[in-house]
Amino acid sequence: EAGVTQFPSHSVIEKGQTVTLRCDPISGHDNLYWYRRVMGKEIKFLLHFVKESKQDESGMPNNRFLAERTGGTYSTLKVQPAELEDSGVYFCASSQDPRPPFFGPGTRLTVL
Amino acid sequence: AQSVTQLGSHVSVSEGALVLLRCNYSSSVPPYLFWYVQYPNQGLQLLLKYTSAATLVKGINGFEAEFKKSETSFHLTKPSAHMSDAAEYFCAVSLTDSWGKLQFGAGTQVVVTP
Repeated sequence: EAGVTQFPSHSVIEKGQTVTLRCDPISGHDNLYWYRRVMGKEIKFLLHFVKESKQDESGMPNNRFLAERTGGTYSTLKVQPAELEDSGVYFCASSQDPRPPFFGPGTRLTVL
Repeated sequence: AQSVTQLGSHVSVSEGALVLLRCNYSSSVPPYLFWYVQYPNQGLQLLLKYTSAATLVKGINGFEAEFKKSETSFHLTKPSAHMSDAAEYFCAVSLTDSWGKLQFGAGTQVVVTP
């Protein structure tokens, strides 16, 4: 079975620009998570979708971040406008209860 | 509040030697604990999980971990390191019963020397 895929693998943008990250979960997984690892820090939870609904967005840093999950399939995470502190690796993960999540390879975002 | 602490951000081990990665947790309720591994340019892969069944948990690639409530620890071990074990290892605790919302430790980078 195909794993969790993320696009792009790397993105370099200027401060103030907009970036959209995409995640395709494993087919049939209702749960989709976004995590972020800022350089030198722990991997931190951002939010959790169950199908197309946001179950928990307690980890979203601020309102510059917008996550969507169209039709309960793929998800996008938009950062607008991007700031320097948004640089890091963004991981997507998916699961079908009651299993631990499978993680994608991540998108490395660099904001200059 | 639940949290995990991994001791040592970098560990160097000789090929064939014991791998020991330390993880201590803080939890107000019986925890669900996990070890993940990230190989270069790949996603995090689940090594093993503790879900209150057996305290000694066996995982993939010869790794195992022992849950010790008295020490609030969940250390990861492998008897004999292989070059392919070079990776970053993460201990994590579940923040909910569904296991998907995880609190991660800072990670330990393992280097295996010939």
